[in-house]
Amino acid sequence: AQSVTQPDIHITVSEGASLELRCNYSYGATPYLFWYVQSPGQGLQLLLKYFSGDTLVQGIKGFEAEFKRSQSSFNLRKPSVHWSDAAEYFCAVGASGTYKYIFGTGTRLKVLA
Amino acid sequence: DAMVIQNPRYQVTQFGKPVTLSCSQTLNHNVMYWYQQKSSQAPKLLFHYYDKDFNNEADTPDNFQSRRPNTSFCFLDIRSPGLGDTAMYLCATSRGQGGTGNTIYFGEGSWLTVV
Repeated sequence: AQSVTQPDIHITVSEGASLELRCNYSYGATPYLFWYVQSPGQGLQLLLKYFSGDTLVQGIKGFEAEFKRSQSSFNLRKPSVHWSDAAEYFCAVGASGTYKYIFGTGTRLKVLA
Repeated sequence: DAMVIQNPRYQVTQFGKPVTLSCSQTLNHNVMYWYQQKSSQAPKLLFHYYDKDFNNEADTPDNFQSRRPNTSFCFLDIRSPGLGDTAMYLCATSRGQGGTGNTIYFGEGSWLTVV
Protein backbone atom coordinates (compact mmCIF):
# COMPACT_ATOMS: atom_id res chain seq x y z
CA ALA A 1 0.00 0.00 0.00
CA GLN A 2 1.14 3.52 -0.72
CA SER A 3 2.16 5.48 2.34
CA VAL A 4 4.15 8.46 3.54
CA THR A 5 6.01 8.54 6.84
CA GLN A 6 7.36 11.58 8.61
CA PRO A 7 9.31 10.11 11.52
CA ASP A 8 9.68 13.35 13.47
CA ILE A 9 6.54 14.77 15.05
CA HIS A 10 8.33 17.78 16.54
CA ILE A 11 11.65 19.41 15.71
CA THR A 12 13.22 22.39 17.45
CA VAL A 13 16.08 24.34 15.95
CA SER A 14 17.76 27.63 16.72
CA GLU A 15 17.35 30.51 14.33
CA GLY A 16 20.16 30.46 11.80
CA ALA A 17 20.76 26.74 12.17
CA SER A 18 20.30 24.29 9.33
CA LEU A 19 17.20 22.15 9.04
CA GLU A 20 16.37 18.75 7.64
CA LEU A 21 12.87 17.26 7.81
CA ARG A 22 12.56 13.62 6.92
CA CYS A 23 10.04 11.99 4.64
CA ASN A 24 9.91 8.37 3.56
CA TYR A 25 7.45 6.98 1.07
CA SER A 26 6.24 3.61 -0.01
CA TYR A 27 5.27 3.60 -3.66
CA GLY A 28 5.57 1.07 -6.45
CA ALA A 29 6.08 3.36 -9.40
CA THR A 30 7.72 6.73 -9.97
CA PRO A 31 6.40 8.89 -7.17
CA TYR A 32 5.12 12.42 -7.50
CA LEU A 33 6.22 14.03 -4.25
CA PHE A 34 5.30 17.28 -2.55
CA TRP A 35 6.18 19.31 0.49
CA TYR A 36 3.64 21.71 1.98
CA VAL A 37 3.91 24.17 4.84
CA GLN A 38 1.02 25.16 7.09
CA SER A 39 1.21 28.15 9.40
CA PRO A 40 -1.21 28.25 12.33
CA GLY A 41 -4.77 28.84 11.18
CA GLN A 42 -3.81 28.78 7.51
CA GLY A 43 -4.15 26.42 4.58
CA LEU A 44 -1.38 24.34 3.08
CA GLN A 45 1.10 26.17 0.89
CA LEU A 46 3.15 24.31 -1.69
CA LEU A 47 6.88 24.57 -0.99
CA LEU A 48 8.18 22.35 -3.77
CA LYS A 49 7.47 19.22 -5.77
CA TYR A 50 9.36 16.43 -7.47
CA PHE A 51 8.02 14.83 -10.62
CA SER A 52 11.12 13.70 -12.52
CA GLY A 53 14.56 14.81 -13.62
CA ASP A 54 17.03 16.48 -11.29
CA THR A 55 16.75 14.84 -7.88
CA LEU A 56 17.55 18.07 -6.05
CA VAL A 57 14.53 20.33 -6.18
CA GLN A 58 14.47 24.00 -5.26
CA GLY A 59 11.41 25.55 -3.74
CA ILE A 60 10.14 28.77 -2.28
CA LYS A 61 11.39 30.45 0.90
CA GLY A 62 14.88 29.01 0.47
CA PHE A 63 13.84 25.36 0.85
CA GLU A 64 15.14 22.46 -1.16
CA ALA A 65 14.50 18.72 -1.15
CA GLU A 66 16.40 15.74 -2.43
CA PHE A 67 14.77 12.67 -3.92
CA LYS A 68 16.65 9.47 -3.16
CA ARG A 69 15.04 6.48 -4.81
CA SER A 70 17.39 3.98 -3.14
CA GLN A 71 16.31 5.20 0.29
CA SER A 72 12.68 5.97 -0.62
CA SER A 73 13.20 9.40 0.85
CA PHE A 74 12.37 12.98 -0.02
CA ASN A 75 13.90 15.05 2.76
CA LEU A 76 13.36 18.79 3.03
CA ARG A 77 16.29 21.05 3.87
CA LYS A 78 17.05 24.66 4.56
CA PRO A 79 20.57 25.97 5.23
CA SER A 80 19.56 28.70 7.68
CA VAL A 81 16.21 28.75 9.44
CA HIS A 82 14.32 31.97 10.14
CA TRP A 83 11.86 32.47 12.99
CA SER A 84 9.08 32.79 10.41
CA ASP A 85 9.68 29.17 9.33
CA ALA A 86 7.99 27.93 12.49
CA ALA A 87 5.03 25.95 11.15
CA GLU A 88 3.81 22.45 10.37
CA TYR A 89 5.31 20.69 7.37
CA PHE A 90 3.59 17.95 5.41
CA CYS A 91 5.09 15.58 2.90
CA ALA A 92 2.70 14.06 0.37
CA VAL A 93 2.64 11.72 -2.61
CA GLY A 94 0.16 11.63 -5.45
CA ALA A 95 -1.53 8.23 -5.26
CA SER A 96 -1.39 6.16 -8.40
CA GLY A 97 -4.63 5.69 -10.31
CA THR A 98 -6.69 7.91 -8.03
CA TYR A 99 -7.36 11.53 -7.26
CA LYS A 100 -6.01 11.06 -3.75
CA TYR A 101 -2.91 12.57 -2.27
CA ILE A 102 -1.41 10.67 0.63
CA PHE A 103 -0.13 12.92 3.38
CA GLY A 104 2.31 12.21 6.14
CA THR A 105 1.31 13.04 9.69
CA GLY A 106 3.32 16.24 9.64
CA THR A 107 6.34 17.65 11.46
CA ARG A 108 5.90 20.66 13.69
CA LEU A 109 8.91 22.97 13.57
CA LYS A 110 9.74 25.26 16.44
CA VAL A 111 12.40 27.93 16.00
CA LEU A 112 14.28 29.31 18.99
CA ALA A 113 15.40 32.92 18.89
CA ASP B 1 -3.59 36.61 -5.74
CA ALA B 2 -5.50 33.87 -4.02
CA MET B 3 -6.44 31.07 -6.40
CA VAL B 4 -8.59 29.00 -4.06
CA ILE B 5 -10.83 31.15 -1.90
CA GLN B 6 -12.80 29.89 1.05
CA ASN B 7 -15.60 31.59 2.93
CA PRO B 8 -16.14 32.12 5.71
CA ARG B 9 -12.70 31.85 7.28
CA TYR B 10 -14.24 31.38 10.70
CA GLN B 11 -17.66 30.01 11.57
CA VAL B 12 -19.23 29.19 14.88
CA THR B 13 -22.41 27.15 14.75
CA GLN B 14 -24.67 25.51 17.27
CA PHE B 15 -24.91 21.78 17.70
CA GLY B 16 -27.32 20.47 15.09
CA LYS B 17 -27.65 23.71 13.13
CA PRO B 18 -26.86 23.26 9.43
CA VAL B 19 -23.83 25.06 8.09
CA THR B 20 -22.48 25.66 4.60
CA LEU B 21 -18.90 26.43 3.69
CA SER B 22 -18.03 27.73 0.25
CA CYS B 23 -15.05 27.51 -2.03
CA SER B 24 -14.24 29.17 -5.32
CA GLN B 25 -11.28 28.77 -7.62
CA THR B 26 -9.73 30.81 -10.39
CA LEU B 27 -7.51 28.01 -11.71
CA ASN B 28 -10.18 26.39 -13.87
CA HIS B 29 -9.18 23.02 -12.47
CA ASN B 30 -11.29 19.95 -13.10
CA VAL B 31 -10.99 18.51 -9.61
CA MET B 32 -12.16 20.08 -6.38
CA TYR B 33 -11.66 18.49 -2.97
CA TRP B 34 -12.89 18.93 0.55
CA TYR B 35 -10.63 17.90 3.41
CA GLN B 36 -11.22 17.89 7.15
CA GLN B 37 -8.26 18.66 9.37
CA LYS B 38 -8.39 18.34 13.12
CA SER B 39 -5.82 19.83 15.42
CA SER B 40 -2.30 18.49 14.88
CA GLN B 41 -3.45 15.96 12.29
CA ALA B 42 -2.97 15.51 8.57
CA PRO B 43 -5.82 16.55 6.28
CA LYS B 44 -8.43 13.83 5.76
CA LEU B 45 -10.18 13.63 2.42
CA LEU B 46 -13.97 13.80 2.65
CA PHE B 47 -14.85 13.79 -1.06
CA HIS B 48 -13.91 15.20 -4.40
CA TYR B 49 -15.47 16.20 -7.69
CA TYR B 50 -14.06 15.54 -11.09
CA ASP B 51 -16.09 18.06 -13.06
CA LYS B 52 -19.62 17.14 -11.94
CA ASP B 53 -18.74 13.58 -11.03
CA PHE B 54 -18.97 13.29 -7.24
CA ASN B 55 -16.78 10.83 -5.33
CA ASN B 56 -17.39 10.20 -1.66
CA GLU B 57 -14.80 8.59 0.60
CA ALA B 58 -16.11 5.41 2.20
CA ASP B 59 -15.70 6.71 5.74
CA THR B 60 -17.20 10.16 5.20
CA PRO B 61 -20.29 10.49 7.40
CA ASP B 62 -23.65 10.99 5.67
CA ASN B 63 -23.93 14.23 7.59
CA PHE B 64 -21.47 15.75 5.12
CA GLN B 65 -22.74 16.69 1.67
CA SER B 66 -21.32 18.68 -1.19
CA ARG B 67 -22.50 20.59 -4.23
CA ARG B 68 -20.62 21.83 -7.24
CA PRO B 69 -22.92 24.03 -9.33
CA ASN B 70 -20.19 24.99 -11.80
CA THR B 71 -16.46 24.64 -12.41
CA SER B 72 -15.54 27.52 -10.14
CA PHE B 73 -17.61 26.86 -7.03
CA CYS B 74 -17.99 24.05 -4.55
CA PHE B 75 -19.90 23.91 -1.28
CA LEU B 76 -19.63 21.77 1.83
CA ASP B 77 -22.89 21.28 3.70
CA ILE B 78 -22.92 19.82 7.18
CA ARG B 79 -26.53 18.94 7.86
CA SER B 80 -26.44 18.44 11.62
CA PRO B 81 -23.04 19.36 13.03
CA GLY B 82 -21.85 17.58 16.10
CA LEU B 83 -19.15 18.66 18.52
CA GLY B 84 -16.77 16.25 16.83
CA ASP B 85 -17.08 18.19 13.58
CA THR B 86 -15.13 21.09 15.03
CA ALA B 87 -12.18 21.31 12.65
CA MET B 88 -10.51 23.19 9.85
CA TYR B 89 -12.12 22.46 6.48
CA LEU B 90 -9.82 22.79 3.53
CA CYS B 91 -10.87 23.17 -0.07
CA ALA B 92 -8.35 22.22 -2.74
CA THR B 93 -8.11 21.87 -6.49
CA SER B 94 -6.03 20.02 -9.05
CA ARG B 95 -6.07 19.63 -12.80
CA GLY B 96 -6.15 15.84 -12.57
CA GLN B 97 -4.84 12.86 -10.68
CA GLY B 98 -1.97 13.26 -8.26
CA GLY B 99 -0.49 10.01 -9.44
CA THR B 100 0.02 11.47 -12.91
CA GLY B 101 1.87 14.53 -11.77
CA ASN B 102 -0.81 17.08 -10.95
CA THR B 103 -0.29 19.46 -8.08
CA ILE B 104 -2.99 20.04 -5.49
CA TYR B 105 -3.56 23.63 -4.39
CA PHE B 106 -5.24 24.52 -1.13
CA GLY B 107 -7.33 27.40 0.09
CA GLU B 108 -6.75 29.16 3.39
CA GLY B 109 -9.28 26.99 5.16
CA SER B 110 -12.49 27.54 7.07
CA TRP B 111 -12.33 27.11 10.82
CA LEU B 112 -15.59 25.60 12.08
CA THR B 113 -16.41 25.50 15.75
CA VAL B 114 -19.50 23.64 16.89
CA VAL B 115 -20.82 24.69 20.30
